[in-house]
Amino acid sequence: ETGVTQSPTHLIKTRGQQVTLRCSSQSGHNTVSWYQQALGQGPQFIFQYYREEENGRGNFPPRFSGLQFPNYSSELNVNALELDDSALYLCASSPGTRQETQYFGPGTRLLVL
Amino acid sequence: GESVGLHLPTLSVQEGDNSIINCAYSNSASDYFIWYKQESGKGPQFIIDIRSNMDKRQGQRVTVLLNKTVKHLSLQIAATQPGDSAVYFCAERRGNNRLAFGKGNQVVVIP
Repeated sequence: ETGVTQSPTHLIKTRGQQVTLRCSSQSGHNTVSWYQQALGQGPQFIFQYYREEENGRGNFPPRFSGLQFPNYSSELNVNALELDDSALYLCASSPGTRQETQYFGPGTRLLVL
Repeated sequence: GESVGLHLPTLSVQEGDNSIINCAYSNSASDYFIWYKQESGKGPQFIIDIRSNMDKRQGQRVTVLLNKTVKHLSLQIAATQPGDSAVYFCAERRGNNRLAFGKGNQVVVIP
């Protein structure tokens, strides 16, 4: 069984640029959630995708958007990058949306200069 | 407001001793809680979970206790090992199936 994978592992961008982060869910999991983890903080929920549809969103602006594909992999897109977007972006997958444990990938470390 | 928080920022424990990490939550409607372990440079790793209809749940060397009366959660690690050094997060599941995390508690195991 393959766990959650994310790419790239590290990324450096400048303010105003756009970035796309990718996540492959664990085998058999149809739900993907994205989190932002600032240094020294706990992860903060961005949004969740279930069967290619957004299924819940946290307190993040519209320049954070996402997609889920038929194979349940997912992308997180961030437009007009700001310095405060520098963080570890985590993807978590689960086999459903109702009280199922979420399993996290290793994350993508984004640095915005 | 809503918050999930940990009381102690850093816990230093001697190898072989037991560790206890505490967590307070504010949403009395939360019915599912999870403990995660995060090592440096890695994503959070699932340790153990508990539903609100339970008071205690045991895993391998770990026990989670839930006190709904005072909205308190704890993680006990038996015979702490150097590999247990990490940041530990408690999280609660909210209505739209998102996890709300606290800030984390650093555990340092002293050999």
